Amino acid sequence: AQTVTQSQPEMSVQEAETVTLSCTYDTSESDYYLFWYKQPPSRQMILVIRQEAYKQQNATENRFSVNFQKAAKSFSLKISDSQLGDAAMYFCAYREAGNMLTFGGGTRLMVKP
Amino acid sequence: EAGVVQSPRYKIIEKKQPVAFWCNPISGHNTLYWYRQNLGQGPELLIRYENEEAVDDSQLPKDRFSAERLKGVDSTLKIQPAELGDSAVYLCASSGWSGSANNEQFFGPGTRLTVL
Repeated sequence: AQTVTQSQPEMSVQEAETVTLSCTYDTSESDYYLFWYKQPPSRQMILVIRQEAYKQQNATENRFSVNFQKAAKSFSLKISDSQLGDAAMYFCAYREAGNMLTFGGGTRLMVKP
Repeated sequence: EAGVVQSPRYKIIEKKQPVAFWCNPISGHNTLYWYRQNLGQGPELLIRYENEEAVDDSQLPKDRFSAERLKGVDSTLKIQPAELGDSAVYLCASSGWSGSANNEQFFGPGTRLTVL
């Protein structure tokens, strides 16, 4: 079974600074997808960014980017120019085509004004 | 376009009582998922529907949990009887056909269940 590990239960960043959230996963597959989801106190899970394993180029969405290291099975999220609205729980997730999302345990991000 | 709708948002019941959660997915989405999210943890899949067929319910505790999606649109998840350990957030999500590599799951706001 696939597992997803987020080793940082909590992270803190100063507004306008950069923060990196870590994620590692375990799989024997070569074709899969990785995601970062944001869950604010409203509980709505929002997709932040996705990465296809066959793509070597790291995905980028505005202030959000990933560092995908396939051999190391590492998938970190970098948030640049952090904003107060970025404060939330962040979940790393793994999915094979046709299969379900497997989530990590989450990282709580706090943004200090 | 409306997102995934869930009701109620909150539910407080006493143990051994029944409870039901309702989900209406995004229009046109064939696949519907129910997840359970315990406090401080990531969501875990309970059951997945392709249209009206439950295609993955291996994580659903069948002694007390049941689900249905009779017309392949909205769905109900039921617990009877509820136990203290069932306190959690129950999330519903929907997507296009899950066999497609490029689908995305859209989540509802969840129902927070508290069992006293």
